[in-house]
Amino acid sequence: KAGVTQTPRYLIKTRGQQVTLSCSPISGHRSVSWYQQTPGQGLQFLFEYFSETQRNKGNFPGRFSGRQFSNSRSEMNVSTLELGDSALYLCASSSSGTGPLGEQYFGPGTRLTVT
Amino acid sequence: DAKTTQPPSMDCAEGRAANLPCNHSTISGNEYVYWYRQIHSQGPQYIIHGLKNNETNEMASLIITEDRKSSTLILPHATLRDTAVYYCIVSRTSGTYKYIFGTGTRLKVLA
Repeated sequence: KAGVTQTPRYLIKTRGQQVTLSCSPISGHRSVSWYQQTPGQGLQFLFEYFSETQRNKGNFPGRFSGRQFSNSRSEMNVSTLELGDSALYLCASSSSGTGPLGEQYFGPGTRLTVT
Repeated sequence: DAKTTQPPSMDCAEGRAANLPCNHSTISGNEYVYWYRQIHSQGPQYIIHGLKNNETNEMASLIITEDRKSSTLILPHATLRDTAVYYCIVSRTSGTYKYIFGTGTRLKVLA
């Protein structure tokens, strides 16, 4: 079974630009969660989608948004990029119907650098 | 959502058991304890989870105290490949939540 895939793996953007990251979950998984990982703040939960609906959300500004498609693939978008948005963005999928918990399977991440 | 406290780092000799503690004194009755690990530059990997009873799988054992305020992840025979950051997380399985990873314990397995 193929794992969680994320594209692109590396990205360099300029302040003020916007970026879209993509995540393809494990086949059959309907829950997709997004996380931001930085050396200073660690691993922080952004949001979770289940059946095309945002079900849970962390404490991030509205510049961070996401969506999920009918095939469970998900995208996250960051608008008006700031230097502090430089991070590893991780996507995780789960088969759990009651939340993203149980076993979450993480992708390799997208390394975003904002200059 | 309950928060967790873990020691920042630990060392363990290869072949010995690694016991990683986690404090979650504010855990609620409907919250599970989850353990993940992250090997450098990779996405976190699920290890094990439990509610009240001790759990064991092919990777590790999870011991949860009777009052559920703390737990211990046991890697029975640590290898060099177990060197990673280990995260203890407490969360509900439904409703609103914030899945908080915390800073984790950096385990170094020594040859």
